[in-house]
Amino acid sequence: EAGVVQSPRYKIIEKKQPVAFWCNPISGHNTLYWYRQNLGQGPELLIRYENEEAVDDSQLPKDRFSAERLKGVDSTLKIQPAELGDSAVYLCASSLSDRKETQYFGPGTRLLVL
Amino acid sequence: KQEVTQIPAALSVPEGENLVLNCSFTDSAIYNLQWFRQDPGKGLTSLLLIQSSQREQTSGRLNASLDKSSGRSTLYIAASQPGDSATYLCAVRPTGGFKTIFGAGTRLFVKA
Repeated sequence: EAGVVQSPRYKIIEKKQPVAFWCNPISGHNTLYWYRQNLGQGPELLIRYENEEAVDDSQLPKDRFSAERLKGVDSTLKIQPAELGDSAVYLCASSLSDRKETQYFGPGTRLLVL
Repeated sequence: KQEVTQIPAALSVPEGENLVLNCSFTDSAIYNLQWFRQDPGKGLTSLLLIQSSQREQTSGRLNASLDKSSGRSTLYIAASQPGDSATYLCAVRPTGGFKTIFGAGTRLFVKA
């Protein structure tokens, strides 16, 4: 069974430029999460989807970040415009349902904003 | 507000040693606690999940315990190997909430 797929793996952009990350969760997983992980820290939740509905986006900086999960499968996280402080690893995870406990993580996208 | 702390931040041991990683959390009202492993440049891999009603879980050389009343969990690794070198993170899911709270991790290095 394929795991969570993310692309790109690495991205280097200049500040004020837009950037987008893509995630394909494990087939059949209804819940999808986007996390941001800063160097030396644990992941922090940005947004959680139940199917196509964003049910927890309280940590998403809505002035510059946006996300969508069309048809309840793939998801895209966008930053526009990017700032220096956005440099981090962006992780996508999925689970069968939110209460099904185990989250399966993708390899992440490492973003560097110059 | 739930906070998760992991001690030590880094640990170096010779191959073959048994070791314990510690995780503490401030609010005992949790749904479950999970231990993850993260290799450099990669995502997280789930190791063990302990439900709030459980005291421990075991998988191979790994054993995780949970003491909700004291807000503590430990991950025991028996007969450590160089392949165990990675960052180990613990995460709690608060009762009634949906946001998993992660610790900063313990970076483990097992010397051959």
